Amino acid sequence: NAGVTQTPKFRVLKTGQSMTLLCAQDMNHEYMYWYRQDPGMGLRLIHYSVGEGTTAKGEVPDGYNVSRLKKQNFLLGLESAAPSQTSVYFCASSYRTPSSYNEQFFGPGTRLTVL
Amino acid sequence: EDQVTQSPEALRLQEGESSSLNCSYTVSGLRGLFWYRQDPGKGPEFLFTLYSAGEEKEKERLKATLTKKESFLHITAPKPEDSATYLCAVKGYSTLTFGKGTMLLVSP
Repeated sequence: NAGVTQTPKFRVLKTGQSMTLLCAQDMNHEYMYWYRQDPGMGLRLIHYSVGEGTTAKGEVPDGYNVSRLKKQNFLLGLESAAPSQTSVYFCASSYRTPSSYNEQFFGPGTRLTVL
Repeated sequence: EDQVTQSPEALRLQEGESSSLNCSYTVSGLRGLFWYRQDPGKGPEFLFTLYSAGEEKEKERLKATLTKKESFLHITAPKPEDSATYLCAVKGYSTLTFGKGTMLLVSP
């Protein structure tokens, strides 16, 4: 199993450009998440999904959109990139059980720089 | 609003010098406290989940404990390969909330 994979690993954008980050998981997890990690800020949740076709906003959703058309994929889009979106982006996934909350498995990250 | 505070921000140990990392939290209805390890340039790697006060879990040189207000990650006789950033996170009624982490450096 590859676990959680992210594409691309690195990207440089100019202000105003758009791009899509792809996350894929092969663990048949129901839940998927997008986080950003900035120095001194910790991990912050951008958007998440509790199942195919569903998405919800996290702590810092502005400037981002997401889609979950297939259970194994979760896409994060930046419509018009801004320098404030320079960050490391992590995707994560977790399975669902009725009575407990389970750990999240993280991908290797995408380092995005917006000039 | 759920909050997680980790201390110290950074910790430098000699190989074999045991110590503890602290994670203080406030959460509405704790449904789980999680510890992760993160190496530079990589994603967080899951270590432990604790669900209720008094619970303890161990893995090699690491032991995590939980009270109603904080969790400790005890590192016994650390080795250089234990050097990493350790993240604590809590799950209440809302989504997972992470602390800023403790950067641990173990020197040979």
